[in-house]
Amino acid sequence: GESVGLHLPTLSVQEGDNSIINCAYSNSASDYFIWYKQESGKGPQFIIDIRSNMDKRQGQRVTVLLNKTVKHLSLQIAATQPGDSAVYFCAEIPPRTGANNLFFGTGTRLTVIP
Amino acid sequence: KAGVTQTPRYLIKTRGQQVTLSCSPISGHRSVSWYQQTPGQGLQFLFEYFSETQRNKGNFPGRFSGRQFSNSRSEMNVSTLELGDSALYLCASRINSGSDEQFFGPGTRLTVL
Repeated sequence: GESVGLHLPTLSVQEGDNSIINCAYSNSASDYFIWYKQESGKGPQFIIDIRSNMDKRQGQRVTVLLNKTVKHLSLQIAATQPGDSAVYFCAEIPPRTGANNLFFGTGTRLTVIP
Repeated sequence: KAGVTQTPRYLIKTRGQQVTLSCSPISGHRSVSWYQQTPGQGLQFLFEYFSETQRNKGNFPGRFSGRQFSNSRSEMNVSTLELGDSALYLCASRINSGSDEQFFGPGTRLTVL
């Protein structure tokens, strides 16, 4: 079955450094991927998405890279700030399941050290 | 525009009881989905409602049910609660069932004793 996992459960970075959060997925047919950020006491917040016909997508301070060959996603955060401290989830949408059948990983907790 | 709201925010129940959680989507959003979040399993899809009809369903037992009203507000119900049902229950809304971006509410923290 489909599974989305994360390589590292926790990540600590110095303020101002770049962060890289990784994610592996198992369904090679998945065609849509989303990164979410969840702060304590809040629901997940959409950060950035990417479709399988792209390798890279950039947002404001964030970049998502998709490597379909090894079924790997990464989220890069530039100049990490204390407000970036949160749990980050990747989610995939396998084909023919509907956009709401998101499969999430357990998350990576990012801690930014001032 | 107000975000997704969920009530109550916290709930404590005992095994065997039932519980009803409520979700009000963003105004104009017609699709509401429910997720269960636990430390061990992460976020898991429960079901989606659109226009008062269940459109998709995840792999949860029949004790988990839901409904949607004509104003798009949704409720989910869990009967015969088990300890393992302790979790954060998240509701997410989007404009239509085919829209990609979902907006999550803050969740209801359910503790089953």
